[in-house]
Amino acid sequence: KAGVTQTPRYLIKTRGQQVTLSCSPISGHRSVSWYQQTPGQGLQFLFEYFSETQRNKGNFPGRFSGRQFSNSRSEMNVSTLELGDSALYLCASSFLAGGNNEQFFGPGTRLTVL
Amino acid sequence: DQQVKQNSPSLSVQEGRISILNCDYTNSMFDYFLWYKKYPAEGPTFLISISSIKDKNEDGRFTVFLNKSAKHLSLHIVPSQPGDSAVYFCAASEASNYQLIWGAGTKLIIKP
Repeated sequence: KAGVTQTPRYLIKTRGQQVTLSCSPISGHRSVSWYQQTPGQGLQFLFEYFSETQRNKGNFPGRFSGRQFSNSRSEMNVSTLELGDSALYLCASSFLAGGNNEQFFGPGTRLTVL
Repeated sequence: DQQVKQNSPSLSVQEGRISILNCDYTNSMFDYFLWYKKYPAEGPTFLISISSIKDKNEDGRFTVFLNKSAKHLSLHIVPSQPGDSAVYFCAASEASNYQLIWGAGTKLIIKP
């Protein structure tokens, strides 16, 4: 079974631009969660989608948004990029919704904002 | 306000010995705890979990202990192997809000 895939793996943008990251979950998984990881910090929860509906949202500004498609693939968008948005963005999928179900992570997208 | 804390950024252990990774939490509503392991350039992988109704869960070389009164959990790896060298994250969730709250991670280095 193929794992979680994220594209692109690396991205360099400048302040003020916007970016879209993509995540394809494991086949059959309907839940997709997004996390931001910065150096020295744990994973910060962005949001979770289940069956195309946002179930949960972390404490991030409205510049961070996401969506999920009918095939469970998910995209995350960050508008008006700031230097502080430079981070590793991780996507995780699970069969059921909720963080207490085992989540399977992709390798992440490394975003650098200049 | 860090609800889940891993106070040791790194830990070095001799191969074959026991590795003990610690995690403290402040939210008494947390009722489920998980440990994930992360290698460089890879996403975290699930290792072991424990529900608040238990105080110990074991899976092979890995055992997680939960002390609810102290709001403390620990992960024991016995014996430690070179492949265990990775960053270990503990995470917690509460039943009313399944959002996972993560610690900052502890980098475990197993010395040969």
